[in-house]
Amino acid sequence: KAGVTQTPRYLIKTRGQQVTLSCSPISGHRSVSWYQQTPGQGLQFLFEYFSETQRNKGNFPGRFSGRQFSNSRSEMNVSTLELGDSALYLCASSFSGNDGYTFGSGTRLTVV
Amino acid sequence: SQQGEEDPQALSIQEGENATMNCSYKTSINNLQWYRQNSGRGLVHLILIRSNEREKHSGRLRVTLDTSKKSSSLLITASRAADTASYFCATATGTASKLTFGTGTRLQVTL
Repeated sequence: KAGVTQTPRYLIKTRGQQVTLSCSPISGHRSVSWYQQTPGQGLQFLFEYFSETQRNKGNFPGRFSGRQFSNSRSEMNVSTLELGDSALYLCASSFSGNDGYTFGSGTRLTVV
Repeated sequence: SQQGEEDPQALSIQEGENATMNCSYKTSINNLQWYRQNSGRGLVHLILIRSNEREKHSGRLRVTLDTSKKSSSLLITASRAADTASYFCATATGTASKLTFGTGTRLQVTL
């Protein structure tokens, strides 16, 4: 079966711009989570969606937002980009959210 | 914030040897999971152990969980060069479906 697909793979943006990242989960998985990975802070939880509802949220500013569509596909948006937002953004899907997650290959965002 | 601390931070062994990584966490958990990451790519789920389990096996992997000490260990037996990667523990607490990751162990397996 197809894995978790994240697009785009790489992205370069300028400070102040906004960006939208996309994630297609494994078919049948209803839980989609997003994580930010940086060398300094490691893997940090952003938010989790289940059946189009945000179920959990991490400690990130309101510039980070997300949504989930009826087909479970998810997007995350970062507005007013800062240099510190440069990171690998990982999406993960799970059937229920209480079992193991399947991760995508990530989107590497560079803010210049 | 990170729930888990892993040690060692880095581990270098030869092919055929066993590798043991440890994870400590701070709060009560629902389950603990181990993941592998190759060169900054996506994470691969290795094994999940629930709070009422003490040991679990999957192929060459053996995971133990000691909830009284809030610690877990991952043992990889008969390591191969292909096992070279970073390994992370992640905890899920209560009914929350978010994972809190540890700092990771970088494993290098040489021929």
